[in-house]
Amino acid sequence: AQSVTQLDSQVPVFEEAPVELRCNYSSSVSVYLFWYVQYPNQGLQLLLKYLSGSTLVKGINGFEAEFNKSQTSFHLRKPSVHISDTAEYFCAVRSQIQGAQKLVFGQGTRLTINP
Amino acid sequence: DVKVTQSSRYLVKRTGEKVFLECVQDMDHENMFWYRQDPGLGLRLIYFSYDVKMKEKGDIPEGYSVSREKKERFSLILESASTNQTSMYLCASSLVGVHSGNTIYFGEGSWLTVV
Repeated sequence: AQSVTQLDSQVPVFEEAPVELRCNYSSSVSVYLFWYVQYPNQGLQLLLKYLSGSTLVKGINGFEAEFNKSQTSFHLRKPSVHISDTAEYFCAVRSQIQGAQKLVFGQGTRLTINP
Repeated sequence: DVKVTQSSRYLVKRTGEKVFLECVQDMDHENMFWYRQDPGLGLRLIYFSYDVKMKEKGDIPEGYSVSREKKERFSLILESASTNQTSMYLCASSLVGVHSGNTIYFGEGSWLTVV
């Protein structure tokens, strides 16, 4: 079964600093990878996804992620964070069961931006 | 825009009560899901459905059941609520597509406290 590991449960950074949130997945022949963001008291919103093609994926709000097959990683990056980026971030991998696509999530990384 | 609506944002129920969590999506999606979110554990799949009247167990189905009588509605049922079911519950939906990377859309979540 597919699995995802987010290596950091909490990441504090200063405003305008760069950030990287780390995600590793279990290897599979075909991998679809996702990053979701959850702002306080809200549901999850898709940031970006990798299905195929270019290994550098750009998402909303200035985030990007790089798919690295040899290292089975899909780290999320942003060159300069804002206070509004404070949220919990979830990495997920698609798993196929009986025609339904389910997502297997990592444990989440809480990003805190300090002024 | 896709809208996934969970009818109750905050509920407080007593141990042993029967609890219904309702979810409606407005985009004619085939797949619907119920996840549970707990700190440090990420999101865990309880049940999913890939068609009307079809349901499949996810990773943690014990103590839960579901109902999908209409395509747009997917209900999660706690037959006899217990304190260890205090959690945030997230409903989601997506189009079917065996080889696609269809986005899974989430509702805003239902916070359930069992006392």
